[in-house]
Amino acid sequence: DIQLTQSPSTLSASVGDRVTITCRASQSISRWLAWYQQKPGKAPKVLIYEASYLKSGVPSRFSGSGSGTEFTLTISSLQPDDFATYYCQQSNSYSWTFGQGTRVEIK
Amino acid sequence: EVQLVESGGDLVQPGGSLRLSCVASGFSFSSYYMSWVRQAPGKGLEWVANINQEGNAIYHADSVKGRFSISRDNAKNTLYLQMSSLRADDMAVYHCATWDGGWIYWGQGTLVTVSS
Repeated sequence: DIQLTQSPSTLSASVGDRVTITCRASQSISRWLAWYQQKPGKAPKVLIYEASYLKSGVPSRFSGSGSGTEFTLTISSLQPDDFATYYCQQSNSYSWTFGQGTRVEIK
Repeated sequence: EVQLVESGGDLVQPGGSLRLSCVASGFSFSSYYMSWVRQAPGKGLEWVANINQEGNAIYHADSVKGRFSISRDNAKNTLYLQMSSLRADDMAVYHCATWDGGWIYWGQGTLVTVSS
């Protein structure tokens, strides 16, 4: 299976900060990567698909980049609603996997 | 309004079986690739299984292969997960989800507890 490793595991930031989360794949996944936001007790919400395409309705402060084995999710100016856990997820192979998650908390 | 409503979660002994169901409404169920994704309490997300629109392409995670089976009935707008030989590490909230370049619709989940 393709392993996805996110860093950092926890990130402390303030409102207005620029935040970057990295996701590294154990082998090339081309651009078959999505990013999700999950809040406690809620189902995840897709933010980015195919590495860099913003899902309809997602604020433009979210952006994704990367290909191959290294990907990033950037929040250009952190808002109060953005404190949550973020997951990357690959769909390159028949066996899909998630990263372990990055919790974004208030500094 | 799009809805995915899971049911069938329960307390089951190790080695037992369950069948989860997910009833879809508000969108064209037969047009979408569907999945089961689970989340153990306090843990991250884990993909479990996928099924294509026709039900003839099916994939399962290695952790459940040979024990779980995904299926669908497009006439009933329903997705299923047949689970057998359940283990303690299968305990989780199981969500059905709709794939369209990312999982765009999610159910609220159904809790499977495996304990003696």
